[in-house]
Amino acid sequence: DAGVIQSPRHEVTEMGQEVTLRCKPISGHDYLFWYRQTMMRGLELLIYFNNNVPIDDSGMPEDRFSAKMPNASFSTLKIQPSEPRDSAVYFCASSLVTGGMNTEAFFGQGTRLTVV
Amino acid sequence: SQQGEEDPQALSIQEGENATMNCSYKTSINNLQWYRQNSGRGLVHLILIRSNEREKHSGRLRVTLDTSKKSSSLLITASRAADTASYFCATRPTGFQKLVFGTGTRLLVSP
Repeated sequence: DAGVIQSPRHEVTEMGQEVTLRCKPISGHDYLFWYRQTMMRGLELLIYFNNNVPIDDSGMPEDRFSAKMPNASFSTLKIQPSEPRDSAVYFCASSLVTGGMNTEAFFGQGTRLTVV
Repeated sequence: SQQGEEDPQALSIQEGENATMNCSYKTSINNLQWYRQNSGRGLVHLILIRSNEREKHSGRLRVTLDTSKKSSSLLITASRAADTASYFCATRPTGFQKLVFGTGTRLLVSP
């Protein structure tokens, strides 16, 4: 397996524009996580899905953020409208429950978003 | 915030020395994990310790867990320049399948 694949790797956009980040989890994994990493706030969990269903979105900062998982092999994180404070590295990760418990998470390479 | 805290925030050592990083967390957990992140890259899983375990080894890594103090430590023995990276602890809170990360320790190993 190629691992978790995120696209694009880098995104530069103007304030007010819509941004869509994409993630392909590892085949067979049943959990998908979206994280945001900044120097100030570290790694924040934004939302996670189990079998394509959102379980906890309490980390989503505002209504401008939305995430979907239409099928087991694809997820999107959308920001509309984007603001400069959204600039960060966004990571997607997937994992598999074994024996009733999640073990390790596999991370993608991240999308570095810059909003100017 | 559920985020854990790690100390030190930054650690600078010479090759061959041991590096110890500490992690404190806030809630009861199912397991605690350590991850490594090289600059500009994603996180890579290093080791997992379950809540009923006290110590675990993997190669040059040694992890301890004290659930009564809600703390863990990661020891890297005989460090190498290639160990230079940021290290994060992550907890799996009891009853949840999410992974909550600490603030991280930046390790610099000089040749």
